[in-house]
Amino acid sequence: DQQVKQNSPSLSVQEGRISILNCDYTNSMFDYFLWYKKYPAEGPTFLISISSIKDKNEDGRFTVFLNKSAKHLSLHIVPSQPGDSAVYFCAAASQGGSEKLVFGKGTKLTVNP
Amino acid sequence: DAGITQSPRHKVTETGTPVTLRCHQTENHRYMYWYRQDPGHGLRLIHYSYGVKDTDKGEVSDGYSVSRSKTEDFLLTLESATSSQTSVYFCASQQGLNEQFFGPGTRLTVL
Repeated sequence: DQQVKQNSPSLSVQEGRISILNCDYTNSMFDYFLWYKKYPAEGPTFLISISSIKDKNEDGRFTVFLNKSAKHLSLHIVPSQPGDSAVYFCAAASQGGSEKLVFGKGTKLTVNP
Repeated sequence: DAGITQSPRHKVTETGTPVTLRCHQTENHRYMYWYRQDPGHGLRLIHYSYGVKDTDKGEVSDGYSVSRSKTEDFLLTLESATSSQTSVYFCASQQGLNEQFFGPGTRLTVL
């Protein structure tokens, strides 16, 4: 039973346009969400996070939106750059529980020049 | 970034042999994790540790064991490797309710 779902295995966008990556979760106990970026042959690196007390968090070109009622979050990258091409993982945790993250399967983003 | 190293980075072994993967962190993080990454599955938690000598199972723990005798080291052992354990293995560490920092990964091939 997948608690964190990234339903789009891949996404392709043009350089300079917006990239929107989506993530859905089923466990209502999740209250902390993170996005990781992963290049080939490297470990995942933390990108941005959001607590359930917020509905938006912004860091430069990256913004994460959280819709708790829909159990949905999205990562917006504006403007997209070729260097953003990577696999993006959504992850969720329950801060009241153990410090474990539950990851989605990832979305491969390709930004075309 | 947290200093996390993994060794070896690549390993090829035969079915039935024991294998130990090592993870070393220099940040004095309390929590450490072992994941495997497979196509179509994303990152799946194998085992984790919440302190020295304190470990627990993740969602795909069968066939794996771990040990943590020091804060900085977390070992993953495949007692008798099988072809289904061919994967890329990532170690991560975390302090409190913050993000996890990942190592560079170990690519394991079991023939």
